[in-house]
Amino acid sequence: NAGVTQTPKFQVLKTGQSMTLQCAQDMNHEYMSWYRQDPGMGLRLIHYSVGAGITDQGEVPNGYNVSRSTTEDFPLRLLSAAPSQTSVYFCASSWGQSRAEAFFGQGTRLTVV
Amino acid sequence: DAKTTQPNSMESNEEEPVHLPCNHSTISGTDYIHWYRQLPSQGPEYVIHGLTSNVNNRMASLAIAEDRKSSTLILHRATLRDAAVYYCILRDMEYGNKLVFGAGTILRVKS
Repeated sequence: NAGVTQTPKFQVLKTGQSMTLQCAQDMNHEYMSWYRQDPGMGLRLIHYSVGAGITDQGEVPNGYNVSRSTTEDFPLRLLSAAPSQTSVYFCASSWGQSRAEAFFGQGTRLTVV
Repeated sequence: DAKTTQPNSMESNEEEPVHLPCNHSTISGTDYIHWYRQLPSQGPEYVIHGLTSNVNNRMASLAIAEDRKSSTLILHRATLRDAAVYYCILRDMEYGNKLVFGAGTILRVKS
């Protein structure tokens, strides 16, 4: 049981480049979300999805796009990377109920130079 | 989104119990109280959750005040591996069941 898998684990981008962070879960969870965590700070919600075909914005959505074409996958796209997007990104999944436990991936450490 | 308030940091001795408080005075009747922790260089991991009654699992206990405006995460015997940031979060369907993290409490465990 793989849980939540994020790829890549590390990435260096140049300013202006685009890339996609991948997130996949094998638990058939309805709910998936993306967070960023800057040094010494808590996690901030970027985007989330309550099911295939449904996405919504979190606290810090600017500069990021998401889509949810399947239950398993929830990729996060950086359209034009900026140094301010240097961060550690975490993906999470859970069932859709308020009582549901969330599972997190191990994170992607992104540096934009 | 419902908000929680936690102390910035706490310190405990190894093998002693730890009580991590959380205030959530604006909690609604359908908000679940969740606790997660984040070990250094890792993603958050689920610890425990509850609605009204106190809860126990293999990791910890959750004590919920009768008015639900506060809760306490109890680690019965702290170990060095429990040193982490602990987050108290309210999750509610009204807000799309989002998990919105605050700053959390940094728990330091002394040997």
